[in-house]
Amino acid sequence: GQSLEQPSEVTAVEGAIVQINCTYQTSGFYGLSWYQQHDGGAPTFLSYNALDGLEETGRFSSFLSRSDSYGYLLLQELQMKDSASYFCAVRDRRRNTGKLIFGQGTTLQVKP
Amino acid sequence: GAGVSQSPSNKVTEKGKDVELRCDPISGHTALYWYRQRLGQGLEFLIYFQGNSAPDKSGLPSDRFSAERTGESVSTLTIQRTQQEDSAVYLCASSLPQGANSPLHFGNGTRLTVT
Repeated sequence: GQSLEQPSEVTAVEGAIVQINCTYQTSGFYGLSWYQQHDGGAPTFLSYNALDGLEETGRFSSFLSRSDSYGYLLLQELQMKDSASYFCAVRDRRRNTGKLIFGQGTTLQVKP
Repeated sequence: GAGVSQSPSNKVTEKGKDVELRCDPISGHTALYWYRQRLGQGLEFLIYFQGNSAPDKSGLPSDRFSAERTGESVSTLTIQRTQQEDSAVYLCASSLPQGANSPLHFGNGTRLTVT
């Protein structure tokens, strides 16, 4: 089956850089996704990595190392509005299913 | 067009009652997912529909939970004989046909409180 591990909480100050790590165990790999969820809101898609390396989207970047079963989300120039929960996710590759399995989430608190 | 719509947004019910939660996916999205999220917790997979394939029900926690989907449109999640531990936010998401990079679009969820 699939399982993902990520830190439960991270705290950083405004303007700083923060990295949220995710390690996964999966019977078949089909890419690592990241989602953001503000308190009381719906999760929203941030990024997706299928291949090793860094994907950059504005202030956010996501990295993947398939050999290490590891990825991270990098947030630069932190803003107060970045305070939210961040989830990594992998898709189940077993036959007849394509469900997306999420980690438990990392709560990021950005302080002034 | 419109995003994923869920109703009701809030539901308070008495223990032992049945509840029905509704999800209207984005038009053209053949994949539909239900997740449960308890307060401060992650997203717990419940069920996945993909087109006309048999749904993946492997996440349903008990036989009190069931879900249906009409074609590639509306889905309903039914919880029978509700228990207090069923209190949570139930999130629905839809996506384009399963592909490596088909992001999920989530609704705002139904907050269920069982008293």
